[in-house]
Amino acid sequence: ETGVTQTPRHLVMGMTNKKSLKCEQHLGHNAMYWYKQSAKKPLELMFVYSLEERVENNSVPSRFSPECPNSSHLFLHLHTLQPEDSALYLCASSYDSHTQYFGPGTRLTVL
Amino acid sequence: AQSVTQPDIHITVSEGASLELRCNYSYGATPYLFWYVQSPGQGLQLLLKYFSGDTLVQGIKGFEAEFKRSQSSFNLRKPSVHWSDAAEYFCAVGRNNAGNMLTFGGGTRLMVKP
Repeated sequence: ETGVTQTPRHLVMGMTNKKSLKCEQHLGHNAMYWYKQSAKKPLELMFVYSLEERVENNSVPSRFSPECPNSSHLFLHLHTLQPEDSALYLCASSYDSHTQYFGPGTRLTVL
Repeated sequence: AQSVTQPDIHITVSEGASLELRCNYSYGATPYLFWYVQSPGQGLQLLLKYFSGDTLVQGIKGFEAEFKRSQSSFNLRKPSVHWSDAAEYFCAVGRNNAGNMLTFGGGTRLMVKP
């Protein structure tokens, strides 16, 4: 596979569940990002990892927990989410401060 | 803080007509500017970008954009729209600081009439 891939593409979970979103990039990049895209709201940057260290955390609730075990993989661990967390979660990667390339997203529904 | 405004939430054009999508930004230094396109249920695809140099930038799928510093604008244009261009378009401004932090506009949804 090439580019940025995300799994699963769709996820439905209850408020008491624990699940994880996975992102993998095959572009040799060294920075990875999580964004949240909700209906009628601009894209929101959640987390940034550069060289596997978190460099940005935009006041995201602790029920979202990112993990970047290496420069090619990024996870978003989810627990005790709320219905308002339902959204499209997009992963992106870049090389240093150059252009970001996005994955197809995971459509999350919280019941 | 940087910000991006896309004044038009929805635009409808006829197939074959020209297109211009507006983008205005607010940023204290020379910005990095991007246009992305998103089809329903998909991620964002990069159309074009401006870092420096020639202010008229060519992108994929026949799109171009012009950086006008005096107007703080980076409008996207296409001379002849195709039905497959129907999608949502996002303008973004980036800052060069520990990774490229992008701030996105609210998006413009383009509909194409046959």
